[in-house]
Amino acid sequence: DQQVKQNSPSLSVQEGRISILNCDYTNSMFDYFLWYKKYPAEGPTFLISISSIKDKNEDGRFTVFLNKSAKHLSLHIVPSQPGDSAVYFCAASGIYNFNKFYFGSGTKLNVKP
Amino acid sequence: DGGITQSPKYLFRKEGQNVTLSCEQNLNHDAMYWYRQDPGQGLRLIYYSQIVNDFQKGDIAEGYSVSREKKESFPLTVTSAQKNPTAFYLCASSLMGQTGTSAPYTQYFGPGTRLTVL
Repeated sequence: DQQVKQNSPSLSVQEGRISILNCDYTNSMFDYFLWYKKYPAEGPTFLISISSIKDKNEDGRFTVFLNKSAKHLSLHIVPSQPGDSAVYFCAASGIYNFNKFYFGSGTKLNVKP
Repeated sequence: DGGITQSPKYLFRKEGQNVTLSCEQNLNHDAMYWYRQDPGQGLRLIYYSQIVNDFQKGDIAEGYSVSREKKESFPLTVTSAQKNPTAFYLCASSLMGQTGTSAPYTQYFGPGTRLTVL
């Protein structure tokens, strides 16, 4: 049973607009969340993270929001650029084993010029 | 350059054969991981190792084996007991997070090996 879910397998957005990628989790013991970006035939690269003590973390065009009561996090990309086209994975880690991450199935983002 | 290398990039195996995937890192990371990715699914943890000569099973360890004789290397063997070995395999490494006292460290991934069983 997947503990981290990304229910949208794909998302298409016009260049310059906002991209919103969503992620839900079921395990209330998760308290650290990350987003990874993956291009075809490459390994994922770290994008941004958030701890459960925060509800928002921002890094340039990327902002991650965490809603603990809803067990939901989202990644906002503003403005979206064609180079952002990739698969985005969210991942979660729990306080009992920080080094074990659970990954969602990914959302493929296509930013159209 | 520091990083993680995986070889080969593509690997073909006949049914019934064991095959070993290589993973090397020069980041001086303590922890190393093996994941499997299938279409439409997230990365699933096969094995991980937090220190030399020690490793733990992940969520889908059956049919796989690992060794950690050196800090830099964490090879994965896909045995003939693995029923559906065709997949994309990713190796990662990280510093060791101190559970309960600080945030986990980011995992850095290699480029992956695509294994196909013929």
